Amino acid sequence: KQEVTQIPAALSVPEGENLVLNCSFTDSAIYNLQWFRQDPGKGLTSLLLIQSSQREQTSGRLNASLDKSSGRSTLYIAASQPGDSATYLCAGNYGGATNKLIFGTGTLLAVQP
Amino acid sequence: DTAVSQTPKYLVTQMGNDKSIKCEQNLGHDTMYWYKQDSKKFLKIMFSYNNKELIINETVPNRFSPKSPDKAHLNLHINSLELGDSAVYFCASSHYLPGPNSPLHFGNGTRLTVT
Repeated sequence: KQEVTQIPAALSVPEGENLVLNCSFTDSAIYNLQWFRQDPGKGLTSLLLIQSSQREQTSGRLNASLDKSSGRSTLYIAASQPGDSATYLCAGNYGGATNKLIFGTGTLLAVQP
Repeated sequence: DTAVSQTPKYLVTQMGNDKSIKCEQNLGHDTMYWYKQDSKKFLKIMFSYNNKELIINETVPNRFSPKSPDKAHLNLHINSLELGDSAVYFCASSHYLPGPNSPLHFGNGTRLTVT
């Protein structure tokens, strides 16, 4: 069964700290892995997409890694800011072109000013 | 604005009623999706359409019927609403061949409350 898990469920850090969010998946036959953020009452915003052949992707202060053999992905946020406070979700694409995403349970991040 | 837009944002209705949620995207994508986010914030795919053709149907009760009049629209009709249907429903879109530049784009959600 394809399952995606995120640890921790919630995280609170002081502003300026670097942090890592973890995502693990049970089935390594993944087409790509996507990281999203969700703000309260809003939809999901795509942050990074890593193809199965890639090891990492970077966008600004965000860096996502993918290790298919261990079934893990991490999202690294450098120099966190209060505006980074949101729920972060990872999702494994097991449908290839059909983009069937299996979502993780999410990590609620609070960055304290 | 280029976006995925869904209406209504909030929907409160009684058990047994029939309701529809509309979704439109102007991103030029050819694939659209419906996801359900339950009270524990867990997101699960319901349906996916590519160029008006159903390509994913994830064991959803047949009270839920998606309709895609064209590739820019995917509406969700729900018959005989039940208490357990209360959730936030998200519409999304993407290109059919996902790549570095074609992740999913989500609407802001429709919060459905069945009383």
